[in-house]
Amino acid sequence: DGGITQSPKYLFRKEGQNVTLSCEQNLNHDAMYWYRQDPGQGLRLIYYSQIVNDFQKGDIAEGYSVSREKKESFPLTVTSAQKNPTAFYLCASTRLKGDEQFFGPGTRLTVL
Amino acid sequence: AQRVTQPEKLLSVFKGAPVELKCNYSYSGSPELFWYVQYSRQRLQLLLRHISRESIKGFTADLNKGETSFHLKKPFAQEEDSAMYYCALSEDNTDKLIFGTGTRLQVFP
Repeated sequence: DGGITQSPKYLFRKEGQNVTLSCEQNLNHDAMYWYRQDPGQGLRLIYYSQIVNDFQKGDIAEGYSVSREKKESFPLTVTSAQKNPTAFYLCASTRLKGDEQFFGPGTRLTVL
Repeated sequence: AQRVTQPEKLLSVFKGAPVELKCNYSYSGSPELFWYVQYSRQRLQLLLRHISRESIKGFTADLNKGETSFHLKKPFAQEEDSAMYYCALSEDNTDKLIFGTGTRLQVFP
């Protein structure tokens, strides 16, 4: 079950701490995305990157940061500035504009 | 603003009954629309997209530009169709997808 991997599967954090979620893909896809999935709200885009060393804010970028130093990797940092960080986070990638997005298994973050 | 609306949070049917999951969108450009599905304990995955005009697992969806709808239909539901379904819209010239809030389909035996 390769393609896109996310780690860890479950993550617990104390309030005030930053935490980084990993996303790696071996599909040679150019574009990568981070979504947040909350019950009743669907998927909301946090950040996306269409090329290495470049990324754009999505609809709910506040309190989050990303980097794209390698094509295969797109880590997401949830900072202490994020007011409601407890959620399920999904990473995705796609080969071409408008093409199918492939999703990772997700990371469930709980702030204690 | 671009928007995707799925009015039903939950749709429950019996096996063999027809299913229609509603999706409406608002978008000024030429939309590309998708249906994604998430089965229990599985990853979110593409079910179908309107430009391919194909039937996947018995599901079809027709883009109706006049009604700005992309409803997902299946004539005879199966228990294995139980899942969370998301309608999504791709904006022109970007890789961004806008998702609806999702509809949970429950198919009872």
